[in-house]
Amino acid sequence: SYELTQPPSVSVSPGQTARITCSGDALPKKYAYWYQQKSGQAPVLVIYEDSKRPSGIPERFSGSSSGTMATLTISGAQVEDEADYYCYSTDSSGNHRGVFGGGTKLTVL
Amino acid sequence: QVQLVQSGAEVKKPGASVKVSCKASGYTFTSYGISWVRQAPGQGLEWMGWISAYNGNTNYAQKLQGRVTMTTDTSTSTAYMELRSLRSDDTAVYYCARETTRDYFDYWGQGTLVTVSS
Repeated sequence: SYELTQPPSVSVSPGQTARITCSGDALPKKYAYWYQQKSGQAPVLVIYEDSKRPSGIPERFSGSSSGTMATLTISGAQVEDEADYYCYSTDSSGNHRGVFGGGTKLTVL
Repeated sequence: QVQLVQSGAEVKKPGASVKVSCKASGYTFTSYGISWVRQAPGQGLEWMGWISAYNGNTNYAQKLQGRVTMTTDTSTSTAYMELRSLRSDDTAVYYCARETTRDYFDYWGQGTLVTVSS
């Protein structure tokens, strides 16, 4: 079955740039989406279609994708950005089955 | 405003079934799909499947094929997820989420904890 691979954890100091990667064989053909989940809460969409930011999401959140890797970048990370981040995409089988990456715990301290 | 309100927590024995509901409001129900996502304690998100509220078409995760059924009731704008032959590793918070035509989830329910224990 299709898999998306993320690093388990990323740590930065406040004001630094955090980069979270997501690798998957179908990413050259399929969009990546990024969700932020804070403890005890439902996920929130922060990036869709590789690089688009929903309204209400701070400009410091950006996304990119090249080849088999998508990247979520948080420029000038804030303490309130500390959360789990999940990439999401669909497989290329034509069945439109979704898959989440394993998640990355972002620590900002 | 868009809201997805899920049914309450459930405790089930192994081998039983559970049916979780997700009542939508604040938008035209049949214009979007509903996906179901679950999260085991301390674990990541797992996509379970999707249903079109327009025509009832479904797509399920391969590992759940044969155990899961997703349905909708357009008269009450409610989506349902039934999981059968429950095992202890089905213990999780189950979320419904509105899926747009651009494949992302823009609104989520509050989650329903399903505990499977003998």
